[in-house]
Amino acid sequence: QKEVEQNSGPLSVPEGAIASLNCTYSDRGSQSFFWYRQYSGKSPELIMFIYSNGDKEDGRFTAQLNKASQYVSLLIRDSQPSDSATYLCAVGGNKLVFGAGTILRVKS
Amino acid sequence: ETGVTQTPRHLVMGMTNKKSLKCEQHLGHNAMYWYKQSAKKPLELMFVYNFKEQTENNSVPSRFSPECPNSSHLFLHLHTLQPEDSALYLCASSQDVTRGSDTQYFGPGTRLTVL
Repeated sequence: QKEVEQNSGPLSVPEGAIASLNCTYSDRGSQSFFWYRQYSGKSPELIMFIYSNGDKEDGRFTAQLNKASQYVSLLIRDSQPSDSATYLCAVGGNKLVFGAGTILRVKS
Repeated sequence: ETGVTQTPRHLVMGMTNKKSLKCEQHLGHNAMYWYKQSAKKPLELMFVYNFKEQTENNSVPSRFSPECPNSSHLFLHLHTLQPEDSALYLCASSQDVTRGSDTQYFGPGTRLTVL
């Protein structure tokens, strides 16, 4: 079982819709959870982090964490074509482990 | 300069060449990382340094040789590379590697092509 799993996609959503990106992890001792966005040919940039169960909102982005289910998600409201990128989930315990990423395509 | 910088941004080298990648962080962090990202593959952690000491070598071939002279600078020395080593090489830094929950910040990467 991979430590951090993401659906590779691509996930296609129309402009203005909500994009939902999901990530599961295997280490129950994980303490921190991150979402990075990576445009093609560029380096990953941090979008959000979350440490506690529940929701955390930042602008159009909401991270959701459910430690009991070992599940973390990222919701992007009012999706824009500029949101088209690969989204990497990273989970931190005694080290940070990255998922393979989900490709998101927002169609105008 | 702010954040994490990497030079060069692009590098083309032959299999017999020797070159070095440089990373510098201006965030006051103590941990630095090298990652390799090949086309359509996930990030692969290569090396980790904490307070200038190497704490992780992820079974990287010896043709890649890291050097960390201080907490702000990290080098990756390359020699006799193979075409399959062509990839985006990313440097990252965080406050302290023993705090696995710390956020890692990435540099822009070096796009390496081995002919």
